Amino acid sequence: QLQLQESGPGLVKPSETLSLTCNVSGGYMYTSSYYWGWIRQPPGKGLEWIGSIYYSGSTYYNPSLQSRVTISVDTSKNQFSLTLNSVTAADTAVYFCASLGGSGWPPIDNWGQGTLVTVSS
Amino acid sequence: SYVLTQPPSVSVAPGKTARITCEGNNIGSKSVHWSQQKPGQAPLLVIYYDRERPSGIPGRFSGSHSGNTATLTISRVEAGDEADYYCQVWDISSDPYYVFGTGTKVTVL
Repeated sequence: QLQLQESGPGLVKPSETLSLTCNVSGGYMYTSSYYWGWIRQPPGKGLEWIGSIYYSGSTYYNPSLQSRVTISVDTSKNQFSLTLNSVTAADTAVYFCASLGGSGWPPIDNWGQGTLVTVSS
Repeated sequence: SYVLTQPPSVSVAPGKTARITCEGNNIGSKSVHWSQQKPGQAPLLVIYYDRERPSGIPGRFSGSHSGNTATLTISRVEAGDEADYYCQVWDISSDPYYVFGTGTKVTVL
């Protein structure tokens, strides 16, 4: 069973860059047919997909965030990362990392516990 | 962009059946996944690929879809089923991306 754990600053200033890392344990990231993704949830609101990276390195982003988002993988550390540029208060949310495994278009089958990031000066 | 619409809330008495709908254009042609989220917790997958249940998920949870509607059915509802539920699909009309439904709060009376 994979375990995922987010880490990074809990407070980011407006216009700056949000950076989070997800550490994966219990399995090797470079696994065929796995996606690694980021999801966020503003306080009291629903889930929003940020983007994902496929085991092959292909990235897929939410069109509404695409211009500000980068997801990358460091397989040597079994980690993947999220950067979100030019943040505003609207980016305040709990950020989850997740894995998606299976054939075709798979579900999110493992989640990190989530980390709250607040955008404020 | 692809939109999945769920009712904001569903109320059900213990022991009865809760049905949560998820509407999306031609959703019957997509694989639908469902997750449960309790307050302060990460979501938990309860149904995947339309009707499959992960190990540990009781048989009271079932999924179906046809046309423009997918449905998560919870039979013999228990107090512990009270949570938010989200449907999900991949939109592959252009660059693939994952879409969440608007979410439904299930309240056990």
